[in-house]
Amino acid sequence: DAGVIQSPRHEVTEMGQEVTLRCKPISGHNSLFWYRQTMMRGLELLIYFNNNVPIDDSGMPEDRFSAKMPNASFSTLKIQPSEPRDSAVYFCASRLSGGSYNEQFFGPGTRLTVL
Amino acid sequence: AQSVTQLDSHVSVSEGTPVLLRCNYSSSYSPSLFWYVQHPNKGLQLLLKYTSAATLVKGINGFEAEFKKSETSFHLTKPSAHMSDAAEYFCVVSEPSGTYKYIFGTGTRLKVLA
Repeated sequence: DAGVIQSPRHEVTEMGQEVTLRCKPISGHNSLFWYRQTMMRGLELLIYFNNNVPIDDSGMPEDRFSAKMPNASFSTLKIQPSEPRDSAVYFCASRLSGGSYNEQFFGPGTRLTVL
Repeated sequence: AQSVTQLDSHVSVSEGTPVLLRCNYSSSYSPSLFWYVQHPNKGLQLLLKYTSAATLVKGINGFEAEFKKSETSFHLTKPSAHMSDAAEYFCVVSEPSGTYKYIFGTGTRLKVLA
């Protein structure tokens, strides 16, 4: 199993540019999570999808952030326009829902630097 | 409301000595508990999980954790530290409400001295 796949692994962009992060969950998993990790705030849940439907987006910082899951094998997180304070590591995780003991599997993350 | 407290932000041990990383939780329900490890510039990897089948849970790389309901604790231990154990460790409690969202502890950074 390839695990959760994220791309790109590193992204450096300038303030004001659009950034798109991509995630391919583990095949068969039907829950997907986007997280942001910073030194100051630790790990924050941005949005949670179940069966491709956004269930909880209360962690999305502001309207500049948007996430989509057009099918069970692909999700994107978009930031437009990007700002320096968006610099962080963004993780995608997937899970097979239906049991409280089913763990989340994390991807390797995308390290975003906004100059 | 559920919460997780990792009592130490940093722990240093010598190679070959025991490791103890402390975690206390608060939950109104029978909790699902996990320990994850994050090596530098890597994603989070599951070490072990509590599933109510047994209070002593064995994980990968020689790690164990014991669920103690009376103390609301889920401490992570390893008999003998290895240099490769140096990483950040997260204790996690999962909401049982259907979303199964994770509540993360603030993390414990383990340093292993040669």
